[in-house]
Amino acid sequence: DAKTTQPPSMDCAEGRAANLPCNHSTISGNEYVYWYRQIHSQGPQYIIHGLKNNETNEMASLIITEDRKSSTLILPHATLRDTAVYYCIVRGSESTGNQFYFGTGTSLTVIP
Amino acid sequence: NAGVMQNPRHLVRRRGQEARLRCSPVKGHSHVYWYRQLPEEGLKFMVYLQKENIIDESGMPKERFSAEFPKEGPSILRIQQVVRGDSAAYFCASSRAGGYQPQHFGDGTRLSIL
Repeated sequence: DAKTTQPPSMDCAEGRAANLPCNHSTISGNEYVYWYRQIHSQGPQYIIHGLKNNETNEMASLIITEDRKSSTLILPHATLRDTAVYYCIVRGSESTGNQFYFGTGTSLTVIP
Repeated sequence: NAGVMQNPRHLVRRRGQEARLRCSPVKGHSHVYWYRQLPEEGLKFMVYLQKENIIDESGMPKERFSAEFPKEGPSILRIQQVVRGDSAAYFCASSRAGGYQPQHFGDGTRLSIL
């Protein structure tokens, strides 16, 4: 039900950009892409979401391909505190449900 | 995770007892969602509520589980006659509205069944 595919794990050197990919080839026109992360023993933390335009906030940037079948979350300068499981989620209108489907995500390890 | 308050953070119950989990949404949010996370797994949706109404309970087990979001006070997830398999982390999220609004999560209640 997750409708997204992410690599199970990634490493990133501290201070470098972390680029986390997500495939959502079956995304429909009214579905947004959301990114959350979960640090051990905490609740999921909202990062960013978008429909078709690239988005940027104080935490990250979201790059969505023109055909919307994939996206990349970019953490511009990864720190050790960014080590977490990152979830890419697609969710649409009321007719497709109100819940988020959390898959297994990408476990990002930031290396000193 | 500032804003969504869940209590207790940890709850221990013996088999057959009742568990009550509380969730106070972000101020101004009228939509509440409950999720369950088993060890080493992702979050699974349970129920979506607005004030005094259950909107979607498609993820709730058919027996022993119930949820409410009264006009006043926190949302409550109630588990009757708990069993070992109910041991999990239960997360509450809230949003300002439904649709495309992002959900903001609390830090969860860790339920352990002895």
